Amino acid sequence: DGGITQSPKYLFRKEGQNVTLSCEQNLNHDAMYWYRQDPGQGLRLIYYSQIVNDFQKGDIAEGYSVSREKKESFPLTVTSAQKNPTAFYLCATAFSSYNEQFFGPGTRLTVL
Amino acid sequence: RKEVEQDPGPFNVPEGATVAFNCTYSNSASQSFFWYRQDCRKEPKLLMSVYSSGNEDGRFTAQLNRASQYISLLIRDSKLSDSATYLCAVPDPTGGGADGLTFGKGTHLIIQP
Repeated sequence: DGGITQSPKYLFRKEGQNVTLSCEQNLNHDAMYWYRQDPGQGLRLIYYSQIVNDFQKGDIAEGYSVSREKKESFPLTVTSAQKNPTAFYLCATAFSSYNEQFFGPGTRLTVL
Repeated sequence: RKEVEQDPGPFNVPEGATVAFNCTYSNSASQSFFWYRQDCRKEPKLLMSVYSSGNEDGRFTAQLNRASQYISLLIRDSKLSDSATYLCAVPDPTGGGADGLTFGKGTHLIIQP
């Protein structure tokens, strides 16, 4: 069954803790993206990757880190340096940067 | 990053009516355009891709106006289930476009019984 999976669906974190959000895809897409969405707001690009072992900062990368060791996986770490991490995090994939993106179901992160 | 602008709404429309909303983009070199639907607390889902002057899929029609740099989404015979936020997205060919699509903030549509 092809698709994009994100885990966990809900995540609660104490202030000062790092957490890692998972994004896995079996669509054989080269490009992968992480977005953040706050209530009533649009999508903001955190990091993106066009190929394995390469990734670039998006518009709001501060306080986040990623890795792309496998084509199928693009995990996002929310570090304690991120001042306001409570948000809905969406992973997306595409054949290339000019193609339509497909989204995973998202992870809702709440900092307590 | 080039801009993509949408009227946030909300658009309150009676069931069965026709509704249309626009998305303006700033990069005249863009060649493809996408409409997404996002339900409350869910991920965006691709609704329609536009690669030429327009596209039609059932009750949904997307039209491209390159001269004025906007794309429109028309929904005919609207259903209660059409209530959602509609996002448009445009690739940014400048600088190689490696960072993918630029998304508008979305238009919120409410279909009323």
